[in-house]
Amino acid sequence: EIVLTQSPGTLSLSPGERATLSCRASQSVSSSSLAWYQQKPGQAPRLLIYGASNRATGIPDMFSGSGSGTDFTLTISRLEPEDFAVYYCQQYGSSPCTFGQGTKLE
Amino acid sequence: QVQLEESGPGLVKASQTLSLTCTVSGGSISSGNYYWSWIRQHPGKDLEWIAYVYSNGNTYYNPSLKSRVTISLDTSKNHFYLKVTAVTAADTAVYYCARGHCPAGSCPNWFDPWGQGTLVTVSS
Repeated sequence: EIVLTQSPGTLSLSPGERATLSCRASQSVSSSSLAWYQQKPGQAPRLLIYGASNRATGIPDMFSGSGSGTDFTLTISRLEPEDFAVYYCQQYGSSPCTFGQGTKLE
Repeated sequence: QVQLEESGPGLVKASQTLSLTCTVSGGSISSGNYYWSWIRQHPGKDLEWIAYVYSNGNTYYNPSLKSRVTISLDTSKNHFYLKVTAVTAADTAVYYCARGHCPAGSCPNWFDPWGQGTLVTVSS
């Protein structure tokens, strides 16, 4: 199965700053089949991005995804206080789908 | 909009069977091209997809759990279910049900929405 490695493990930033989160796959992810989720304490993950760069319904354009092959990036252009959470990537190009271990944005 | 809610015992003894129910509201599980899935999150926060069931009853399991897991659905109740046999401490996790989307390729693709999750602890 494809192993996803997210970096950094923890990212310390301030409101108003730009966040760049990385997700690297152990082998190429076909057709940019990658999603990003946000998880806040005590809540379920929330879909942000699918198809590597498509925002889910209701997700503001401050969130953007990019990448292909083995390297993917989630960018939050200008951090709001509510954006501090854990972010996970998930690949679905190969079965079984797998998740990264998460990046904590603090 | 579609909402999902997990239910089931929060404590299961080791070697016994874990049984969970996902109640779907706001839409029918028998319509649309969706892959109704279970996903778990271990205390260390790792997420693991477990299985899906399609509206026609077709199922697919994560090979790492396939020998112990059964997923099923009841369209008349708009529920789907998870059973995990011979549980151990390694099965302690928050269990989520979620709707899997699959417009193309290897299904399911992404998951949206998710239920709020239910913590299952395996005791010795």
